[in-house]
Amino acid sequence: NAGVTQTPKFRILKIGQSMTLQCAQDMNHNYMYWYRQDPGMGLKLIYYSVGAGITDKGEVPNGYNVSRSTTEDFPLRLELAAPSQTSVYFCASSPLGQGRDGYTFGSGTRLTVV
Amino acid sequence: AQSVTQLDSQVPVFEEAPVELRCNYSSSVSVYLFWYVQYPNQGLQLLLKYLSGSTLVKGINGFEAEFNKSQTSFHLRKPSVHISDTAEYFCAGAVPVNYGGSQGNLIFGKGTKLSVKP
Repeated sequence: NAGVTQTPKFRILKIGQSMTLQCAQDMNHNYMYWYRQDPGMGLKLIYYSVGAGITDKGEVPNGYNVSRSTTEDFPLRLELAAPSQTSVYFCASSPLGQGRDGYTFGSGTRLTVV
Repeated sequence: AQSVTQLDSQVPVFEEAPVELRCNYSSSVSVYLFWYVQYPNQGLQLLLKYLSGSTLVKGINGFEAEFNKSQTSFHLRKPSVHISDTAEYFCAGAVPVNYGGSQGNLIFGKGTKLSVKP
């Protein structure tokens, strides 16, 4: 049982490049989330999804896009990378909304934009 | 919750001593509250949660927390810590959907780094 799988684990991007952070879960959870974690700042919600085909913005969506074509996958797209997007990105999923049953987190993607 | 505040950014403590990590929330309505733990280079994992009912909540690894509505607090406690408890701890809160919250609105505090020394 893999839980939530994030790839890649590490990535260095140049300013202006694009990339997709992959997230897949095998628990049949309807709810999925993307957070970014910056030192001393906690976690900030980027986007979330309540089911296949349904996504919504979180607190810090600018510079990112998402799609949810299947229950399992929730990729995060960075179109024009900027140094401000240097961060650790976490994908999470939950069976119930608002994480009432707890979130299952992936192990994160550490992204550096230079 | 409209906001979640963790009052200490770092808490050093000796092994086998008790510890309290403090969390205050701001909400004018009912609220769900959670504590998560993050070990180095890992994702977060749920320690415990308060949704409703009994105000004393017990979680994994011997941790417990008490919901105090009058003081708007949800402090995390452990009577005797181990070296392996060294990690960062996050308090999080959400306003239930039926009180106006959104499905994605789980707000995290900035974290408290617990350092357990031998």
